Amino acid sequence: GENVEQHPSTLSVQEGDSAVIKCTYSDSASNYFPWYKQELGKRPQLIIDIRSNVGEKKDQRIAVTLNKTAKHFSLHITETQPEDSAVYFCAASKASGSARQLTFGSGTQLTVLP
Amino acid sequence: DVKVTQSSRYLVKRTGEKVFLECVQDMDHENMFWYRQDPGLGLRLIYFSYDVKMKEKGDIPEGYSVSREKKERFSLILESASTNQTSMYLCASTSSLSYEQYFGPGTRLTVT
Repeated sequence: GENVEQHPSTLSVQEGDSAVIKCTYSDSASNYFPWYKQELGKRPQLIIDIRSNVGEKKDQRIAVTLNKTAKHFSLHITETQPEDSAVYFCAASKASGSARQLTFGSGTQLTVLP
Repeated sequence: DVKVTQSSRYLVKRTGEKVFLECVQDMDHENMFWYRQDPGLGLRLIYFSYDVKMKEKGDIPEGYSVSREKKERFSLILESASTNQTSMYLCASTSSLSYEQYFGPGTRLTVT
Protein backbone atom coordinates (compact mmCIF):
# COMPACT_ATOMS: atom_id res chain seq x y z
CA GLY A 1 0.00 0.00 0.00
CA GLU A 2 0.84 3.67 -0.01
CA ASN A 3 3.39 5.07 2.45
CA VAL A 4 3.72 8.80 3.09
CA GLU A 5 6.67 10.26 4.97
CA GLN A 6 6.58 13.83 6.28
CA HIS A 7 9.40 16.08 7.51
CA PRO A 8 10.14 17.82 9.74
CA SER A 9 8.07 16.68 12.70
CA THR A 10 8.43 20.09 14.37
CA LEU A 11 9.20 23.48 12.84
CA SER A 12 9.62 26.85 14.53
CA VAL A 13 9.84 30.06 12.50
CA GLN A 14 9.81 33.75 13.28
CA GLU A 15 6.67 35.64 12.36
CA GLY A 16 6.99 36.89 8.79
CA ASP A 17 9.42 34.17 7.73
CA SER A 18 8.57 31.32 5.37
CA ALA A 19 7.90 27.70 6.35
CA VAL A 20 8.34 24.62 4.19
CA ILE A 21 7.07 21.12 4.96
CA LYS A 22 8.02 18.19 2.76
CA CYS A 23 6.39 14.83 2.03
CA THR A 24 7.33 11.82 -0.04
CA TYR A 25 5.03 9.06 -1.22
CA SER A 26 5.67 5.55 -2.45
CA ASP A 27 2.85 4.64 -4.84
CA SER A 28 3.37 6.14 -8.29
CA ALA A 29 -0.36 5.66 -8.99
CA SER A 30 -1.28 8.31 -6.37
CA ASN A 31 -2.75 11.32 -8.11
CA TYR A 32 -4.21 13.59 -5.42
CA PHE A 33 -2.25 15.31 -2.65
CA PRO A 34 -4.09 17.37 -0.01
CA TRP A 35 -2.80 19.28 2.99
CA TYR A 36 -4.83 19.49 6.19
CA LYS A 37 -4.36 21.92 9.06
CA GLN A 38 -5.33 20.99 12.60
CA GLU A 39 -5.38 23.72 15.20
CA LEU A 40 -5.10 22.75 18.85
CA GLY A 41 -8.28 21.00 19.99
CA LYS A 42 -9.90 21.35 16.58
CA ARG A 43 -10.67 19.01 13.71
CA PRO A 44 -8.40 18.75 10.63
CA GLN A 45 -9.45 20.99 7.76
CA LEU A 46 -8.36 21.00 4.14
CA ILE A 47 -6.26 24.06 3.28
CA ILE A 48 -4.96 23.26 -0.19
CA ASP A 49 -4.67 20.32 -2.55
CA ILE A 50 -3.02 19.47 -5.85
CA ARG A 51 -3.73 16.94 -8.57
CA SER A 52 -1.01 15.07 -10.38
CA ASN A 53 -1.54 16.92 -13.64
CA VAL A 54 -0.15 20.21 -12.24
CA GLY A 55 3.19 21.04 -10.68
CA GLU A 56 2.23 23.96 -8.46
CA LYS A 57 -0.82 25.59 -6.93
CA LYS A 58 -1.09 28.80 -4.92
CA ASP A 59 -3.73 30.25 -2.66
CA GLN A 60 -2.71 33.58 -1.15
CA ARG A 61 0.13 32.84 1.30
CA ILE A 62 0.17 29.08 0.83
CA ALA A 63 1.42 27.05 -2.10
CA VAL A 64 1.98 23.40 -2.84
CA THR A 65 4.50 21.97 -5.30
CA LEU A 66 4.56 18.46 -6.71
CA ASN A 67 7.42 16.55 -8.30
CA LYS A 68 5.93 13.35 -9.69
CA THR A 69 9.24 11.99 -10.90
CA ALA A 70 10.78 12.20 -7.47
CA LYS A 71 7.47 11.40 -5.75
CA HIS A 72 7.55 14.29 -3.38
CA PHE A 73 5.41 17.33 -2.66
CA SER A 74 5.81 20.32 -0.40
CA LEU A 75 3.76 22.94 1.41
CA HIS A 76 5.09 26.49 1.41
CA ILE A 77 3.71 29.15 3.74
CA THR A 78 5.00 32.70 3.23
CA GLU A 79 4.79 35.66 5.61
CA THR A 80 3.86 33.39 8.48
CA GLN A 81 1.50 34.68 11.17
CA PRO A 82 0.78 33.40 14.70
CA GLU A 83 -2.52 31.93 13.50
CA ASP A 84 -0.54 29.63 11.19
CA SER A 85 0.62 27.75 14.30
CA ALA A 86 -0.94 24.28 14.03
CA VAL A 87 -0.23 20.68 13.05
CA TYR A 88 -0.10 20.19 9.29
CA PHE A 89 -0.72 16.82 7.64
CA CYS A 90 0.05 15.85 4.08
CA ALA A 91 -1.75 12.98 2.40
CA ALA A 92 -1.79 11.01 -0.83
CA SER A 93 -4.64 9.29 -2.61
CA LYS A 94 -5.45 7.44 -5.76
CA ALA A 95 -8.80 6.78 -7.36
CA SER A 96 -10.02 3.27 -6.71
CA GLY A 97 -13.17 1.28 -7.30
CA SER A 98 -14.58 2.26 -3.91
CA ALA A 99 -14.06 5.34 -1.79
CA ARG A 100 -10.93 7.41 -2.34
CA GLN A 101 -8.72 6.63 0.61
CA LEU A 102 -6.19 9.07 2.00
CA THR A 103 -2.88 7.95 3.44
CA PHE A 104 -1.63 10.62 5.82
CA GLY A 105 1.86 11.64 6.83
CA SER A 106 2.82 11.77 10.50
CA GLY A 107 2.27 15.52 10.84
CA THR A 108 4.36 18.65 11.39
CA GLN A 109 3.87 20.89 14.42
CA LEU A 110 4.46 24.42 13.13
CA THR A 111 5.06 27.14 15.71
CA VAL A 112 5.22 30.76 14.58
CA LEU A 113 7.12 32.82 17.12
CA PRO A 114 6.07 36.47 17.58
CA ASP B 1 -22.02 23.80 5.60
CA VAL B 2 -21.05 20.18 6.06
CA LYS B 3 -21.60 18.96 9.56
CA VAL B 4 -20.00 15.81 10.94
CA THR B 5 -20.77 15.03 14.55
CA GLN B 6 -19.50 12.36 16.91
CA SER B 7 -21.43 10.96 19.85
CA SER B 8 -18.91 11.84 22.57
CA ARG B 9 -15.93 14.17 22.94
CA TYR B 10 -14.46 12.20 25.85
CA LEU B 11 -15.01 8.59 26.86
CA VAL B 12 -13.47 6.47 29.59
CA LYS B 13 -13.95 2.71 29.45
CA ARG B 14 -12.56 -0.31 31.23
CA THR B 15 -10.49 -3.07 29.63
CA GLY B 16 -12.74 -5.72 28.11
CA GLU B 17 -15.79 -3.46 27.69
CA LYS B 18 -17.60 -3.20 24.36
CA VAL B 19 -17.38 0.36 23.09
CA PHE B 20 -19.50 2.09 20.46
CA LEU B 21 -18.40 5.32 18.78
CA GLU B 22 -20.95 6.94 16.54
CA CYS B 23 -20.58 9.39 13.69
CA VAL B 24 -23.33 11.24 11.86
CA GLN B 25 -23.05 13.46 8.77
CA ASP B 26 -25.77 15.65 7.33
CA MET B 27 -24.57 16.10 3.73
CA ASP B 28 -25.76 12.86 2.16
CA HIS B 29 -22.15 11.76 1.66
CA GLU B 30 -21.61 8.28 0.29
CA ASN B 31 -18.22 7.70 1.89
CA MET B 32 -17.41 7.63 5.59
CA PHE B 33 -14.15 6.89 7.38
CA TRP B 34 -12.82 6.11 10.84
CA TYR B 35 -9.27 7.13 11.80
CA ARG B 36 -7.28 7.02 14.97
CA GLN B 37 -4.83 9.81 15.70
CA ASP B 38 -1.76 9.22 17.84
CA PRO B 39 1.18 11.61 18.38
CA GLY B 40 3.92 11.07 15.83
CA LEU B 41 1.82 8.62 13.81
CA GLY B 42 -0.58 10.96 12.05
CA LEU B 43 -4.04 9.76 11.12
CA ARG B 44 -4.33 6.04 10.44
CA LEU B 45 -7.33 4.60 8.64
CA ILE B 46 -9.21 1.91 10.56
CA TYR B 47 -12.22 1.22 8.34
CA PHE B 48 -14.22 3.00 5.69
CA SER B 49 -17.56 2.60 3.99
CA TYR B 50 -18.61 3.66 0.49
CA ASP B 51 -22.29 2.76 0.80
CA VAL B 52 -24.88 1.53 3.25
CA LYS B 53 -23.93 -1.88 4.62
CA MET B 54 -20.63 -1.78 2.68
CA LYS B 55 -17.32 -1.63 4.50
CA GLU B 56 -13.65 -2.07 3.77
CA LYS B 57 -10.67 -2.51 6.04
CA GLY B 58 -8.17 0.27 6.29
CA ASP B 59 -4.59 0.02 7.47
CA ILE B 60 -5.23 -0.93 11.12
CA PRO B 61 -8.55 -2.83 11.41
CA GLU B 62 -7.48 -5.34 14.05
CA GLY B 63 -9.59 -5.11 17.20
CA TYR B 64 -12.27 -2.98 15.52
CA SER B 65 -15.45 -3.50 13.56
CA VAL B 66 -17.90 -1.08 11.95
CA SER B 67 -21.55 -0.79 11.09
CA ARG B 68 -23.35 1.33 8.53
CA GLU B 69 -27.07 0.68 8.59
CA LYS B 70 -28.06 4.17 7.39
CA LYS B 71 -26.30 6.46 4.96
CA GLU B 72 -25.76 9.25 7.47
CA ARG B 73 -24.46 7.11 10.32
CA PHE B 74 -21.22 5.14 10.69
CA SER B 75 -20.37 3.35 13.91
CA LEU B 76 -17.01 2.10 15.15
CA ILE B 77 -17.12 -0.82 17.55
CA LEU B 78 -14.40 -2.00 19.88
CA GLU B 79 -15.52 -5.53 20.73
CA SER B 80 -13.27 -5.83 23.79
CA ALA B 81 -11.46 -2.62 24.58
CA SER B 82 -7.77 -2.79 25.42
CA THR B 83 -5.40 -0.18 26.80
CA ASN B 84 -3.57 0.09 23.47
CA GLN B 85 -6.80 1.40 21.96
CA THR B 86 -6.54 4.56 24.05
CA SER B 87 -6.45 7.23 21.38
CA MET B 88 -8.22 10.08 19.61
CA TYR B 89 -10.78 8.74 17.12
CA LEU B 90 -11.81 10.88 14.17
CA CYS B 91 -14.64 10.28 11.78
CA ALA B 92 -14.74 11.81 8.30
CA SER B 93 -17.06 11.85 5.32
CA THR B 94 -16.83 12.77 1.66
CA SER B 95 -19.00 12.81 -1.41
CA SER B 96 -18.24 10.33 -4.19
CA LEU B 97 -17.71 13.36 -6.45
CA SER B 98 -15.08 15.00 -4.25
CA TYR B 99 -11.78 14.19 -2.66
CA GLU B 100 -12.16 16.56 0.32
CA GLN B 101 -12.81 14.79 3.60
CA TYR B 102 -14.81 16.58 6.31
CA PHE B 103 -13.87 15.59 9.82
CA GLY B 104 -15.83 15.32 13.02
CA PRO B 105 -14.57 16.88 16.27
CA GLY B 106 -13.05 13.62 17.51
CA THR B 107 -13.59 11.35 20.49
CA ARG B 108 -10.83 11.04 23.05
CA LEU B 109 -11.11 7.45 24.29
CA THR B 110 -9.26 6.30 27.38
CA VAL B 111 -9.23 2.59 28.24
CA THR B 112 -8.15 1.82 31.79
